[in-house]
Amino acid sequence: DTGVSQDPRHKITKRGQNVTFRCDPISEHNRLYWYRQTLGQGPEFLTYFQNEAQLEKSRLLSDRFSAERPKGSFSTLEIQRTEQGDSAMYLCASSQGWLAEYNEQFFGPGTRLTVL
Amino acid sequence: SQQGEEDPQALSIQEGENATMNCSYKTSINNLQWYRQNSGRGLVHLILIRSNEREKHSGRLRVTLDTSKKSSSLLITASRAADTASYFCATVATWEGGKLIFGQGTELSVKP
Repeated sequence: DTGVSQDPRHKITKRGQNVTFRCDPISEHNRLYWYRQTLGQGPEFLTYFQNEAQLEKSRLLSDRFSAERPKGSFSTLEIQRTEQGDSAMYLCASSQGWLAEYNEQFFGPGTRLTVL
Repeated sequence: SQQGEEDPQALSIQEGENATMNCSYKTSINNLQWYRQNSGRGLVHLILIRSNEREKHSGRLRVTLDTSKKSSSLLITASRAADTASYFCATVATWEGGKLIFGQGTELSVKP
């Protein structure tokens, strides 16, 4: 097991374009979380999944954002009509086990998005 | 929104010295976790302390938790240049689905 992976690692796009990021959690981890981190700040929660069910979305997640986790494995985060304010590092994390919400989360390397 | 506040925001020490970082939070928690982040990279989990624990050790790390004061501290002993990174505390509030609420972090610089 190689840990949580994210793809791409870097994405540069023009304002108004759509982008999609992928996260592959540690296998058999039932919880998957998305966070966003801007420069000089701590990560902020966006949304999380228990298996394939999306259980919570932050108000940071405007209607331009959508996340999925088909079959409870990998997850995708799509941003439509990107804005310069979407520029940030997007981090994915996963956790497992009974009461997974109270266990440590393992983070991927992140996808750095730059919107020109 | 950020729940935690970390103090100091930046800390510069010499190799071999101890580094202490503090974290305060606002709500009732299930546990508090500390993470390290090297510049531009993902977060590495360091240690988790549950709300019924007061102190925990892992190698050169010592974490304390005072739930009455809603505060925690991370002590790194005998620091090394490789410890240079940003350190974040993150809380998991009770019955909030396990999402981590991060502080703004302490930027630690260890000079050789």
